[in-house]
Amino acid sequence: AQTVTQSQPEMSVQEAETVTLSCTYDTSESNYYLFWYKQPPSRQMILVIRQEAYKQQNATENRFSVNFQKAAKSFSLKISDSQLGDTAMYFCAFMIPNDYKLSFGAGTTVTVRA
Amino acid sequence: SQTIHQWPATLVQPVGSPLSLECTVEGTSNPNLYWYRQAAGRGLQLLFYSVGIGQISSEVPQNLSASRPQDRQFILSSKKLLLSDSGFYLCAWSLPPGQGLTREKLFFGSGTQLSVL
Repeated sequence: AQTVTQSQPEMSVQEAETVTLSCTYDTSESNYYLFWYKQPPSRQMILVIRQEAYKQQNATENRFSVNFQKAAKSFSLKISDSQLGDTAMYFCAFMIPNDYKLSFGAGTTVTVRA
Repeated sequence: SQTIHQWPATLVQPVGSPLSLECTVEGTSNPNLYWYRQAAGRGLQLLFYSVGIGQISSEVPQNLSASRPQDRQFILSSKKLLLSDSGFYLCAWSLPPGQGLTREKLFFGSGTQLSVL
């Protein structure tokens, strides 16, 4: 079974600064997908970024980027130029191809301070 | 475009009462459908998933059941609710195999907050 670990329950960052969220996972698979989802106070789950394990290049989406270290089984999310609207709970998630079941970490609550 | 509808948004039920949460998807055919539960301040736990009408897989033993009577309808039920069934329930869908590279993306509904008292 795959496990996803987010060791930071809460983080706080000043507006316009950068924050990095950590995520580690455990799997024996060589090919898989990794995701970061955002859950704002509205509780709507929003896909932030996605990484395919066979791609060495780190994914980026505007102010969001990841640091994917396959050997270390680490998948951190960096939020640059933090905005108040980034305040949310962030979940790291894992999926095996052809399985389509998403396994989530416990989440990290990010608060952006004005 | 595809949309997912989930209702009700909030529900307060007494212990021992039945439950029925409904989820429907529009704009796609033969989607994979999922029910997740989120306990307060916790991550999401997969409860059930379905790859077709009448095909339900359960991830954890529990007091709940799921059914898929139509291609784009997914129902979460219980005959008798327990206090431990309280939580935030999310329905989600994804494209089935063979429908493009985005099939591993899950799209979530707006959720149902269930309080069992």
